[in-house]
Amino acid sequence: AQSVTQPDIHITVSEGASLELRCNYSYGATPYLFWYVQSPGQGLQLLLKYFSGDTLVQGIKGFEAEFKRSQSSFNLRKPSVHWSDAAEYFCAVGPRSNDYKLSFGAGTTVTVRA
Amino acid sequence: NAGVTQTPKFRVLKTGQSMTLLCAQDMNHEYMYWYRQDPGMGLRLIHYSVGEGTTAKGEVPDGYNVSRLKKQNFLLGLESAAPSQTSVYFCASTPAVGNTEAFFGQGTRLTVV
Repeated sequence: AQSVTQPDIHITVSEGASLELRCNYSYGATPYLFWYVQSPGQGLQLLLKYFSGDTLVQGIKGFEAEFKRSQSSFNLRKPSVHWSDAAEYFCAVGPRSNDYKLSFGAGTTVTVRA
Repeated sequence: NAGVTQTPKFRVLKTGQSMTLLCAQDMNHEYMYWYRQDPGMGLRLIHYSVGEGTTAKGEVPDGYNVSRLKKQNFLLGLESAAPSQTSVYFCASTPAVGNTEAFFGQGTRLTVV
């Protein structure tokens, strides 16, 4: 069964500092991988996705993520955090087989301090 | 283009009451999902549908039923609400499996007292 692990429940970062959020997945083959962001009281918005090809993918709002097959990881990064990046971030894995589930990690809450 | 719309946005139920949450999408998507979001647990899949007239169980289906009589609508029912079902519920839809973005509704905050 596929699964997604986000080891960090909560991260606090200073405005202007870099940010890295970890994501590890368990899946029999290379899955489709996603990062979503949820602002307080809102639904989820897609930041970026990886299907194949270049393992470094660029997303919206200055985010990027790197797929590392050997580590089963898909970590999200941003070089310089803005106060508006305070939110909850979810890593998700989508199937490449006949199992149609879209599965999410437990999420990482990011707090940005001035 | 409204995208994914959930009704209602807030609801308070008494234990044992029933209710139906409605998810409507106007993007002609085949796949629809119901999740519940609880602190520290992320989004857990309740039920999903791969097309009109089909439904399947997710990770946490107990206490819920679903129906997809029309392609654009996916209903989530609670037959006898319990306090453990207090949560925020999200509906999502995708046009295809795996390689496309999921579009989410704004959520329904349900409290069972």
